[in-house]
Amino acid sequence: GAVVSQHPSWVICKSGTSVKIECRSLDFQATTMFWYRQFPKQSLMLMATSNEGSKATYEQGVEKDKFLINHASLTLSTLTVTSAHPEDSSFYICSPSEQTREQYFGPGTRLTVT
Amino acid sequence: QQQVKQSPQSLIVQKGGISIINCAYENTAFDYFPWYQQFPGKGPALLIAIRPDVSEKKEGRFTISFNKSAKQFSLHIMDSQPGDSATYFCAASGGKLIFGQGTELSVKP
Repeated sequence: GAVVSQHPSWVICKSGTSVKIECRSLDFQATTMFWYRQFPKQSLMLMATSNEGSKATYEQGVEKDKFLINHASLTLSTLTVTSAHPEDSSFYICSPSEQTREQYFGPGTRLTVT
Repeated sequence: QQQVKQSPQSLIVQKGGISIINCAYENTAFDYFPWYQQFPGKGPALLIAIRPDVSEKKEGRFTISFNKSAKQFSLHIMDSQPGDSATYFCAASGGKLIFGQGTELSVKP
């Protein structure tokens, strides 16, 4: 099965600082990367979609200057939360996809902004 | 039209019973309907998925029933076990996954 890793699994940061989350597809090439955000007791909400080497496409209501996505290689994508605020505290999940379109999910990163 | 509506929000089932979760969609362009299981603090894991050219798919204790004309699909968990206690999400895709609201399942021993 597909193996996806995320790092860190949990991060606490102070308000106003930036945090970078890494997502790696360990045994397949991710031509497309999806990033989701999940608040407690809620569903997964798609934040953005990126194809390797291209700029990300953001969903309506997601600030592209706040959530920077880099998908520079077929096995690595990063999400940087810039100038984080307490309302950005959430569970962030990456989902790499192969050309077959099946999506696999990472274990998630819990971000707490104090 | 992009919504996927899931019910119930929570479900309590006795061990050995059948758990049934329902989803409905509107967009007829959706062509892939997966179900995911998520434990607290973990990412979702694919349980079973179906495409609209079949009406039912079974994998072990998990069965998807799909009604294309009604635009509805459901997950049946047979012989439910306490280890099945988790949150279940249906989803639909026409290129990117749209998730239902989730069902918190609790299986009582």
